[in-house]
Amino acid sequence: GAVVSQHPSWVICKSGTSVKIECRSLDFQATTMFWYRQFPKQSLMLMATSNEGSKATYEQGVEKDKFLINHASLTLSTLTVTSAHPEDSSFYICSASVEDGTGNEKLFFGSGTQLSVL
Amino acid sequence: GQSLEQPSEVTAVEGAIVQINCTYQTSGFYGLSWYQQHDGGAPTFLSYNALDGLEETGRFSSFLSRSDSYGYLLLQELQMKDSASYFCAVFTGGFKTIFGAGTRLFVKA
Repeated sequence: GAVVSQHPSWVICKSGTSVKIECRSLDFQATTMFWYRQFPKQSLMLMATSNEGSKATYEQGVEKDKFLINHASLTLSTLTVTSAHPEDSSFYICSASVEDGTGNEKLFFGSGTQLSVL
Repeated sequence: GQSLEQPSEVTAVEGAIVQINCTYQTSGFYGLSWYQQHDGGAPTFLSYNALDGLEETGRFSSFLSRSDSYGYLLLQELQMKDSASYFCAVFTGGFKTIFGAGTRLFVKA
């Protein structure tokens, strides 16, 4: 299956600093990637849809100036949490959508990044 | 609004069969997926149903009834390693997938 690599797997940072998370599709080209946030024992909350070569589409309530998304190539999307605060501490996961040729849609997920803001 | 409903927790014993139901109400529907997530890990794809009926993949099967806006994931011959959270998700089109809140499955010896 398709492989999505996400880095770093965990990061601890001081309040006020910025953190960049990378998401790479290793064996396929992903024109569209997705960024989610997940709190413990809760569902995946879609934050934004990242489109290669264009601006990301943010979900309602997600601050686009705080969560900067860049999708500069067909294999790389980045999420930068700017001026991080303790309430931004969460598990962030990226995914890429792949169709199997018969119209079936599958999402392949990165391994996630646990962000802790002190 | 759009919503997916699934039980929050299910407990079963090793070797048993368990069914996790999912009902959905969405503005669009192309297919129903199931994902497994172990604590601290990322979700992994299990199945996708675009048409009514049962799809079987090893010990796991998934069912869809579009007329009832309902589906389920069936896990047979449960193993301890199956203890995880299971999410149903609807692909609504336009590159959008909506996830349910997840069902935590506890498998006991």
